[in-house]
Amino acid sequence: NAGVIQTPRHKVTGKGQEATLWCEPISGHSAVFWYRQTIVQGLEFLTYFRNQAPIDDSGMPKERFSAQMPNQSHSTLKIQSTQPQDSAVYLCASSTGTNNNQAPLFGEGTRLSVL
Amino acid sequence: AQKVTQTQTSISVMEKTTVTMDCVYETQDSSYFLFWYKQTASGEIVFLIRQDSYKKENATVGHYSLNFQKPKSSIGLIITATQIEDSAVYFCAMREGATSSGQKLVFGQGTILKVYL
Repeated sequence: NAGVIQTPRHKVTGKGQEATLWCEPISGHSAVFWYRQTIVQGLEFLTYFRNQAPIDDSGMPKERFSAQMPNQSHSTLKIQSTQPQDSAVYLCASSTGTNNNQAPLFGEGTRLSVL
Repeated sequence: AQKVTQTQTSISVMEKTTVTMDCVYETQDSSYFLFWYKQTASGEIVFLIRQDSYKKENATVGHYSLNFQKPKSSIGLIITATQIEDSAVYFCAMREGATSSGQKLVFGQGTILKVYL
């Protein structure tokens, strides 16, 4: 069984460029989460989809960040005009979504480096 | 607002011994779920074990078990017979049970575990 797949594994962008990160959740999982991990802030929640609908984006920076889930097999996180402070590991996770006791399972992450 | 705190930054233990990692949490909800994850050196985050707040018995999976002390808002992770490969960063996380809170997990800062021979 394939786990959560994230592409690319590493991405380097110049300041001001756009970055799009991709996530393929585990087949059959209806809940998809995006997290960001940095040394200083740790693991921060960004946004959450259920059955492709955006449910909670309370962790998303108000500017430049957007997330979509156009179909049940993938979600994207887009960062416009990237800044050095956006450098982090971006993690996608999915769960069945049927019960709150189901642990989200994480992908290997995309390491974004903004030069 | 929910909050999770892991006060131990780093722990070193000898192989085959038992280690306990601490975690305390804050929530207004009467129903919540507590999770422990492990992040390996490669960056992979692996789910280990879960405790539901309404269950009195401590969860156990393999050589992982939990010490759930609800009155103290504490959920410790116990690893028995530690192995070198248990060396990793361990994260405690909480999800509130109320539907309005969604399903997001709030994580602690993590505890580095180093197991030596």
